[in-house]
Amino acid sequence: ILNVEQSPQSLHVQEGDSTNFTCSFPSSNFYALHWYRWETAKSPEALFVMTLNGDEKKKGRISATLNTKEGYSYLYIKGSQPEDSATYLCAFCTGGFKTIFGAGTRLFVKA
Amino acid sequence: GAVVSQHPSWVICKSGTSVKIECRSLDFQATTMFWYRQFPKQSLMLMATSNEGSKATYEQGVEKDKFLINHASLTLSTLTVTSAHPEDSSFYICSAVPEQLSLLYEQYFGPGTRLTVT
Repeated sequence: ILNVEQSPQSLHVQEGDSTNFTCSFPSSNFYALHWYRWETAKSPEALFVMTLNGDEKKKGRISATLNTKEGYSYLYIKGSQPEDSATYLCAFCTGGFKTIFGAGTRLFVKA
Repeated sequence: GAVVSQHPSWVICKSGTSVKIECRSLDFQATTMFWYRQFPKQSLMLMATSNEGSKATYEQGVEKDKFLINHASLTLSTLTVTSAHPEDSSFYICSAVPEQLSLLYEQYFGPGTRLTVT
């Protein structure tokens, strides 16, 4: 059974803090890893698609790294803002065209 | 661009009735749509992959006669929960991929439907 774990389950930070969370996935049969941002009452939105070991992607204050050999990806948010409050999902895609989602990390940023 | 709508956003129905949920890609053609289900504090679980003009592919453990999927056009897929029971109460969310199936493409999600069966 393929399992994708995200930690922590939830996180409370102050505005201006930098934070990071983890997505762990199987290290075999890797095809791609996606990060999504999901605000309450809205649709999940794609942040990054990562495919190569050692990949690092950045969008504004948010960045992500990928280690396919050990099966983890980190998402970093620099200088958190209240509008960053959301659930961050990672999704592991296998060579068999299966997508398995983690349960998400729920981030709360307090002003 | 790449907006997916889902209707209704929430629905309450009585046990034994059927409920239809629509998923539409508003500004692109989606050859492939996915239907997910999410229980509280759990991850999105793929129920089925829907391809335009062909039968849906269901994941193991998902009853195809209970969850009827129709992908009749390149912009519309429907999920019908037949003879709903309280255990079918959940959050259902669809997504669409604008190109031929490739998991390098991001999925565009609808906002989801909260189903409550009384």
